[in-house]
Formats: sequence, C-alpha cells, structure tokens
Amino acid sequence: LAKTTQPISMDSYEGQEVNITCSHNNIATNDYITWYQQFPSQGPRFIIQGYKTKVTNEVASLFIPADRKSSTLSLPRVSLSDTAVYYCLVGAVFNTDKLIFGTGTRLQVFP
Amino acid sequence: EPEVTQTPSHQVTQMGQEVILRCVPISNHLYFYWYRQILGQKVEFLVSFYNNEISEKSEIFDDQFSVERPDGSNFTLKIRSTKLEDSAMYFCASSAGQGAATGELFFGEGSRLTVL
Repeated sequence: LAKTTQPISMDSYEGQEVNITCSHNNIATNDYITWYQQFPSQGPRFIIQGYKTKVTNEVASLFIPADRKSSTLSLPRVSLSDTAVYYCLVGAVFNTDKLIFGTGTRLQVFP
Repeated sequence: EPEVTQTPSHQVTQMGQEVILRCVPISNHLYFYWYRQILGQKVEFLVSFYNNEISEKSEIFDDQFSVERPDGSNFTLKIRSTKLEDSAMYFCASSAGQGAATGELFFGEGSRLTVL
C-alpha cells in the first residue's frame, strides 16, 4: 500500500479556499485516492475519491496530476464547521478491504 | 440518510473483563469492519468481514478479539480479556462493495472503551 505524506496542520479563515496536498510517490496502477474527514469523537466520513484528473462533488474537488504521485483536496469557501482532520488514503487494489489511515491534516478554520 | 449505529457509546470496564461492542450496519451493505483509534492517534484497521467470515485482519486483531454477525443485522466485536491498552474509540463501518476499492466506508459514531 502506498505511503502518504500530508501536512500535519493548516490554518484558514472562513470563506477562503483551502487546498490540502498529499504526496504518494509509490502509488500503484490499481490504487485510488480517497479523502476522509473526521470531527473530534466521531467516525471518519468519506469526502471524495478519484483515480486521475479531477473529480468534483457537492463538498470538494480532488485534483490529481497525470503522474498521480500527489493529489490536492480543495475545499471551497470553508466555514468554521470544516474544522476537522482530513485524511488522504491511497490503496484499493481489488483484493484488499482495509483502508490505511495516516496521521492526517488538522485543519483549523478561524472566524 | 441511512447510518451505522453503535452501542454502547461509552463503556468502562475492569482489566480482564470481557467486552462486547455492538454495531448495526447499513441494511443493504455486505462488508463490515472494525477500526479503533487510541486517543490522539491514528485510526487503525482491525478486521473486515464478508460473507460471514473474516476477510482480513491486522496484527492488532489477536486471539483476544473476535467478531460475529449473529442475526443478520448486528455485527459485534468481542474482546475476551481486556487490557489497559485496549482503551480506545472503536468504530464500526460498513460498505456496499469491497471497502478499499469503492473507498466509501460508512462509519458509526464509535464506542469509547475505557479499561481500568
């Protein structure tokens, strides 16, 4: 399973766009890139998943360059409620079930 | 929106006691998981369960742990003889497809286990 590296923490202000980049140099051909969000004392929550190029949903966008060695989660116009830990996960060869969570990026949004 | 529910939300137990944590996964999901998170640390995979058997488990999931789907709706994690280091938040999750491939696991709110 590919190792991921992401910033330990980030600060932002309400209304700003936040971009969290994750490095995954050893990503394999069958690997997907998935982002989860976790609020304190709650279970992780799926945000978005992609394989290449760009994926957008109602919550976020995920940008993946052609070499797939990194990815960027983009949160448009964050609010205080977006304060959470964001995890980048890479894996998903089809014969495994487990997701491997790293240490994540702690995003703090200020008013 | 369907959700994964877990009980109890918090359990305090004495070292050496047996604990059963219960989960009701989303009804049409086929894959079930337990993860745990020690306070301030990473979310760690324990076990995955499909078609009434364990499909994968981590090195954490030793002989003290077992899982069961006793009645088609509940999914339980049993710790036979708790240790202090078992104190953690335990998350149950379920997914419609094989978790890693689909990516979208639905997690419960967690059961906090405190071992004294």
